[in-house]
Amino acid sequence: LAKTTQPISMDSYEGQEVNITCSHNNIATNDYITWYQQFPSQGPRFIIQGYKTKVTNEVASLFIPADRKSSTLSLPRVSLSDTAVYYCLVGDFPLISSGSARQLTFGSGTQLTVLP
Amino acid sequence: DAGVTQSPTHLIKTRGQHVTLRCSPISGHKSVSWYQQVLGQGPQFIFQYYEKEERGRGNFPDRFSARQFPNYSSELNVNALLLGDSALYLCASSLNRGRVNEKLFFGSGTQLSVL
Repeated sequence: LAKTTQPISMDSYEGQEVNITCSHNNIATNDYITWYQQFPSQGPRFIIQGYKTKVTNEVASLFIPADRKSSTLSLPRVSLSDTAVYYCLVGDFPLISSGSARQLTFGSGTQLTVLP
Repeated sequence: DAGVTQSPTHLIKTRGQHVTLRCSPISGHKSVSWYQQVLGQGPQFIFQYYEKEERGRGNFPDRFSARQFPNYSSELNVNALLLGDSALYLCASSLNRGRVNEKLFFGSGTQLSVL
């Protein structure tokens, strides 16, 4: 799995747009980019996943440049409840029939703190 | 539908004891994975089970074992507990229909404290 680098922490204010960038210089051709959110004492929650260009869902957008060596998670108009740790993961998640485990490798993530 | 459920939510043990953690996946999900999360770090992969067979194992000692039952629920067992085993243990389930971009659904975890 490709190694990822994210900022350790970020602060923002309510109502602002937050962009968290993840670097993954050695991303492989088959790798997908996935972001998870985790609140204290809870399991991670899937936010968004993409392969290239831009992906948008009801909670976030994911921007991936053409070289795919980085990606940016964009959270529009954050609220206090968006305070959490955000993890960027890169991998190809092999099919279970191949015999390989669908192992996710989490880094230390980015602690986002939204201030009033 | 209920999400991934784990029990117990909290557990206190002493060094050398044994512990069993339980996980029920989302209905219809056939794959269960276990992760250990030490305070301040991201989750670390321990095991994955699919159709009652172990499909992968992370870098954990043989004191850690697991199994999956016919109803797809799973148990994680840890023998001879060490202080360093204190962590949040997370279970995740997925459909595993073979799509490469399938997402995992995590439970809220079991907080294990070893004294």
